[in-house]
Amino acid sequence: DTAVSQTPKYLVTQMGNDKSIKCEQNLGHDTMYWYKQDSKKFLKIMFSYNNKELIINETVPNRFSPKSPDKAHLNLHINSLELGDSAVYFCASSQGPGPQSGEQFFGPGTRLTVL
Amino acid sequence: GESVGLHLPTLSVQEGDNSIINCAYSNSASDYFIWYKQESGKGPQFIIDIRSNMDKRQGQRVTVLLNKTVKHLSLQIAATQPGDSAVYFCAENTGGFKTIFGAGTRLFVKA
Repeated sequence: DTAVSQTPKYLVTQMGNDKSIKCEQNLGHDTMYWYKQDSKKFLKIMFSYNNKELIINETVPNRFSPKSPDKAHLNLHINSLELGDSAVYFCASSQGPGPQSGEQFFGPGTRLTVL
Repeated sequence: GESVGLHLPTLSVQEGDNSIINCAYSNSASDYFIWYKQESGKGPQFIIDIRSNMDKRQGQRVTVLLNKTVKHLSLQIAATQPGDSAVYFCAENTGGFKTIFGAGTRLFVKA
């Protein structure tokens, strides 16, 4: 069974479009995250939710909107896609915030290419 | 050897040798440190962690060393194998919600 899953794995779209990436975890974790990894492999946190509540919102353009319908799911919707949004997006989960948040379980990533 | 340039720092080692990957962290308030391994096309995977009240922790073939005085963390891999080829990230946590990842080092194992 996959612990953290994301769909789609690849997403190719035109500038200006709106797209969503879905994430689900079956680990029973309370905390979920979205990260963006650029071409230099730099991994930057975007958002974190704990029990469906937003707890981290880094300086991300408001075109990015996370939604957590329940604590097992954290989806990422992106409006008006731009070339600079091209990256690999990782979803992750952990048992909880605080020191427990150190050990995170990552999904396989979604490679987004904006043309 | 180790090289730093426009691309990801790369460490190239011979199969069977020991590898040492270094990391400098930024926040003296960080009290929890983690190493992750990311293989090509996959998400990062937890390897080992260490709390700030320790200076060494050992796992299976891996050892993490923490020097709080100079804010330095290292990951030692014994008897490096081709399957160890990956990008390695150190990460720090201040006990709050956010874990900050370092820039990553690519380990290349020569057969």
